[in-house]
Amino acid sequence: QKEVEQNSGPLSVPEGAIASLNCTYSDRGSQSFFWYRQYSGKSPELIMSIYSNGDKEDGRFTAQLNKASQYVSLLIRDSQPSDSATYLCAVISSGSARQLTFGSGTQLTVLP
Amino acid sequence: NAGVTQTPKFQVLKTGQSMTLQCAQDMNHNSMYWYRQDPGMGLRLIYYSASEGTTDKGEVPNGYNVSRLNKREFSLRLESAAPSQTSVYFCASLSGGSSYEQYFGPGTRLTVT
Repeated sequence: QKEVEQNSGPLSVPEGAIASLNCTYSDRGSQSFFWYRQYSGKSPELIMSIYSNGDKEDGRFTAQLNKASQYVSLLIRDSQPSDSATYLCAVISSGSARQLTFGSGTQLTVLP
Repeated sequence: NAGVTQTPKFQVLKTGQSMTLQCAQDMNHNSMYWYRQDPGMGLRLIYYSASEGTTDKGEVPNGYNVSRLNKREFSLRLESAAPSQTSVYFCASLSGGSSYEQYFGPGTRLTVT
């Protein structure tokens, strides 16, 4: 079974620190990887997508992909209280070009 | 440009009642999805439609039916609601081309008593 695993947390970091969120996946043939942010009571919002090995930066967010080790991570620099949310990792597995498999999410709290 | 819209936002049903959740997108996406989200279990795919006229089962299809009415609209029907179907339901659509980015509606919070 194709799976996406995340630490459920909760993860707490002080304001201004770097928050590091990790995700592993079981299908070695996966090609597309995504990070979603979900505030309590709201719908998931796409914040990063990454398709090739290495780092991808967008403002305070950096996604890192290592296909050999089958993990993808999200770094949030200069964390703000407004970053407090649940972060969902999602993967498009091989043979499922239009289906995303989601992890159960990591709850992040940024302490003022 | 409203993105993905869903109705209703909240619904309470009694066991055995039926209802239809409506979803529409204005982004001209071919693929649409229905998920349910339960505490600690992430998003689980109920049904999806890769294109107009096609539908396929996802991970948890039992107790649900879907209709892809046209390219814009994708509805989810509960024929005989059960307490186990108490959940938050999200509709989503998927961009095409070289990026596979999924966009979600605001969700429907359903309680079955």
